[in-house]
Amino acid sequence: AQSVTQLGSHVSVSEGALVLLRCNYSSSVPPYLFWYVQYPNQGLQLLLKYTSAATLVKGINGFEAEFKKSETSFHLTKPSAHMSDAAEYFCAANTGNQFYFGTGTSLTVIP
Amino acid sequence: DGGITQSPKYLFRKEGQNVTLSCEQNLNHDAMYWYRQDPGQGLRLIYYSQIVNDFQKGDIAEGYSVSREKKESFPLTVTSAQKNPTAFYLCASSTHWTVQETQYFGPGTRLLVL
Repeated sequence: AQSVTQLGSHVSVSEGALVLLRCNYSSSVPPYLFWYVQYPNQGLQLLLKYTSAATLVKGINGFEAEFKKSETSFHLTKPSAHMSDAAEYFCAANTGNQFYFGTGTSLTVIP
Repeated sequence: DGGITQSPKYLFRKEGQNVTLSCEQNLNHDAMYWYRQDPGQGLRLIYYSQIVNDFQKGDIAEGYSVSREKKESFPLTVTSAQKNPTAFYLCASSTHWTVQETQYFGPGTRLLVL
């Protein structure tokens, strides 16, 4: 079965520092991959998605993710963290039968 | 504006009581989903519907029921058989049930047990 692993349930960065949130998927066939952001007591909002058109995917709010088939990874990055980036981030994979969500990474931005 | 609405925002359930969570979308999406979110566990699929008048069990369907009589509506009932219902419930929809489709989420309903 497909699974999505997010390394690090909590990540803290200083304001202005690089944000790196890790996501690995388990599948011999690359699925469609997504990153979502969730602010407290709200639903999930799509940041970006990988659909095989390009390995480097740009999303909203300055985030981007790179698909690496050899590493089965889809890590999320942002060059410079902003206080408003503090939230929960979820990686997800869609193989056609079901969406699989990671357990989430809580990002804290330190002023 | 198109989107997904969930009501109520907070819901309290007494022991032995059935409660129904509302989910409505005006995106003209065929597929709709219900997820349960618990701290540290990510999202778990309860039920999904690929098209009106059809729905399937997800990973944790026990103690829940759904209906899909209208394209825009997918209510979830938490029955008394669900012994641990306290959680954040998220409804989502997508254009179709296909691999590349993005799921769009509502704002969620937090269910608490009295």
